[in-house]
This record gives sequence, structure tokens and C-alpha cells, in this order.
Amino acid sequence: AQSVTQLDSQVPVFEEAPVELRCNYSSSVSVYLFWYVQYPNQGLQLLLKYLSGSTLVKGINGFEAEFNKSQTSFHLRKPSVHISDTAEYFCAVSRQYSSASKIIFGSGTRLSIRP
Amino acid sequence: EPEVTQTPSHQVTQMGQEVILRCVPISNHLYFYWYRQILGQKVEFLVSFYNNEISEKSEIFDDQFSVERPDGSNFTLKIRSTKLEDSAMYFCASRKDSTEQYFGPGTRLTVT
Repeated sequence: AQSVTQLDSQVPVFEEAPVELRCNYSSSVSVYLFWYVQYPNQGLQLLLKYLSGSTLVKGINGFEAEFNKSQTSFHLRKPSVHISDTAEYFCAVSRQYSSASKIIFGSGTRLSIRP
Repeated sequence: EPEVTQTPSHQVTQMGQEVILRCVPISNHLYFYWYRQILGQKVEFLVSFYNNEISEKSEIFDDQFSVERPDGSNFTLKIRSTKLEDSAMYFCASRKDSTEQYFGPGTRLTVT
């Protein structure tokens, strides 16, 4: 079975400051890794994904994440945040090589940006 | 760009009533999913559907739930007798053959 832990339920950050949202996962099999964003009263949008290859993955809106297999982590970073980044961020995994693989989500991190 | 659509955006129903949530996946996708998110909680997997049958379902997906792809375009989730605890946002997702699932905007179900 797979599980995802997002250590911070809320992260307040000043505008233009850097941010890191932490994510650790647990799995006995190889997994794909994802970050989704949910803006207020909206659905889920894929920010970025790690499938294989380079451990540094770049996504939309200036976000990037680094896969660390030894630490089973997939932390999300942005060097300078904007007010518009205020949202809930979900780390997620799905099992590799599974034809109908479900996505397992973390509990989410609410990012609030202060002017 | 093609997208997953869901109707209605908000459904209010009384406890014990049946509801059907509708989804139109992206047209050439093969795998279909339902997830739910209780207010303030994480998104949880309910069921996956492929080749006109359920591939996997979670413990949440009990006998009160069913899914159907009645006409090759719609993908529905039925809850036979709703309970208060079924109140949640329900997301439909679809996937072609890559790893990425595309999510719809969700249906907010409120059971009173």
C-alpha cells in the first residue's frame, strides 16, 4: 500500500519570499509522484509530476519539485511566491505499472500569502 | 483543450434519497475514476472503471454506490440512499494511456 504525508497543514509566507512544501511518501513498490493545486472553490489542477529520469521536475506557475528516493521525499518549491499562489496543495502518488492505478493523496498544505 | 466536465456543480438532497452525479470524461480516454473530498479533508479514491467494469474500489465504495457508463460518453456515480456523511465534493477523473489523470471541476453534494 502507498501513503503520503504532508508535514505542514498550513504555511504562511510573505509575498515574494521563497516557499517549500514538504511531502514524504511510503510505498513498497515504485510510484509516480504528483503535486496538485486546488484554488478556492475550484477543482484539482496538476502542477507537476515525476515519472522517471531527472529528479528535479519543473511545473507550471514557476513551481518545481525534487524527488529524493533515499529520503522518500518530493518537496515542492517556488523561489518567489505571489498572492495568486494562495491555494491548497496536494502531494500524491500512484503505483507504477498498474493499468488502472488510483491516486493516493496527502492531506494537503494550505499556502497563504501575506502582502 | 479537452476537459472533463461534471454536472451538476451543486446538488442538494435529503437523507435517504438517491442521487446521480454525472461526468463526461475526455473523449478518447479509457480509464475513469471517482474521488471524493469531505470538507476540509483530503481527496479520497472511490472507484476506478475500465473496459466497462470496475477495476478497483475503496472501502468507502459500499453497496450504496454504483457506477455506470451508459452511453459511451457519460460516466455516472449513483448513491442509492444518501446519508449525511455522504456530503462532500465528488471529483471525476479520466486517463488515456499515460499516467496523468485529468480531473473535473467537481460536484458539491449536500445531504440534509
